[in-house]
Amino acid sequence: GESVGLHLPTLSVQEGDNSIINCAYSNSASDYFIWYKQESGKGPQFIIDIRSNMDKRQGQRVTVLLNKTVKHLSLQIAATQPGDSAVYFCAENYGSSNTGKLIFGQGTTLQVKP
Amino acid sequence: DTEVTQTPKHLVMGMTNKKSLKCEQHMGHRAMYWYKQKAKKPPELMFVYSYEKLSINESVPSRFSPECPNSSLLNLHLHALQPEDSALYLCASSLVGQSNEKLFFGSGTQLSVL
Repeated sequence: GESVGLHLPTLSVQEGDNSIINCAYSNSASDYFIWYKQESGKGPQFIIDIRSNMDKRQGQRVTVLLNKTVKHLSLQIAATQPGDSAVYFCAENYGSSNTGKLIFGQGTTLQVKP
Repeated sequence: DTEVTQTPKHLVMGMTNKKSLKCEQHMGHRAMYWYKQKAKKPPELMFVYSYEKLSINESVPSRFSPECPNSSLLNLHLHALQPEDSALYLCASSLVGQSNEKLFFGSGTQLSVL
């Protein structure tokens, strides 16, 4: 699979390969993180989330890894499909436990080549 | 029903016009959000309502006026906008507005200010 060590605006992968999208977050006090997928003309769609007391969470074909030491989040997509082509945003919650304030990272465009 | 519905989908307005964007959800959520998204950029938080009360205003200019008439509805009143306000305006909702909640987004209103 193809991965990026630092955030890159675009990631191009072959259909069937694994994709890894990286994200650096800014607030060491953030305790909740979400990955969203946004297709053209649509709003962000929830993919997977993780709380700060975990370092890995798996969903269907997706895995999120959290490294709090270096404030780094990654999204792994297994067996990437053409329908996975979209912009992927990580988001962190800045707020206190009583106030939700979800702030988005810059986004990575995933292009899947057939 | 897991949808957040926004109307209109597209809006063109002049700088002297007054218009309103509308958002509706029937998931029983008590927190609702407005985000602004410029092309190829991440969504930026504007306002957060929790239990129909404004809890966060991210220093948004007063030409944007939010309103939450009840727990299912959220409006954004627009007056004397500038061309640089042209963007996709996204509405979202979550359970009560705490920091560990996922947000559900609508498809947005694409606004053009002439």
